[in-house]
Amino acid sequence: AQTVTQSQPEMSVQEAETVTLSCTYDTSENNYYLFWYKQPPSRQMILVIRQEAYKQQNATENRFSVNFQKAAKSFSLKISDSQLGDTAMYFCAFMKPTPGDALNFGKGTSLLVTP
Amino acid sequence: EADIYQTPRYLVIGTGKKITLECSQTMGHDKMYWYQQDPGMELHLIHYSYGVNSTEKGDLSSESTVSRIRTEHFPLTLESARPSHTSQYLCASSESRTGANVLTFGAGSRLTVL
Repeated sequence: AQTVTQSQPEMSVQEAETVTLSCTYDTSENNYYLFWYKQPPSRQMILVIRQEAYKQQNATENRFSVNFQKAAKSFSLKISDSQLGDTAMYFCAFMKPTPGDALNFGKGTSLLVTP
Repeated sequence: EADIYQTPRYLVIGTGKKITLECSQTMGHDKMYWYQQDPGMELHLIHYSYGVNSTEKGDLSSESTVSRIRTEHFPLTLESARPSHTSQYLCASSESRTGANVLTFGAGSRLTVL
């Protein structure tokens, strides 16, 4: 089974600053997908960013980018120009292509953006 | 905007009651999932379905059962609720045809068993 480790239970950052959330995973698979999901307080889980393991280029979505290090099995999320609305739980997740395509989640990092 | 709906959002019931958590999606996704999430903890997969009449158990053992009679509907049932079932239950769906492998989540059902 794959394991996903998020070593930072809580983090805080000031508005407009940059913060990096760490994630490591363990797998024997060569082809897989990695995700960061965001869960705001009392709101539904939404996708932040997605990375395919066979792509060397790091994924980017506006202010969100990842540093994917396949050999080190590391998948960190960088949030630039942090905004108050970024306050949420952030979950790193791993998915094998088949079967079931279910996500394996880390324990999450609670991010607080302060004014 | 959510295209996957869960009801009820909050439920407080007594021990021994039978409950059904509803999950419906309007996206035509073939795959659906139920995750259990305790406060401050990661999500654990308890059930999933590849399509109609397909159901499988997930990594976390659960006393709940599921059914998939229609593509859009994936209800979860507890025949006799206990305090240990108190948790948040998240439903999700995905489409396999495009290979995007992205799950869309519902808002969750928070269950409290007294």
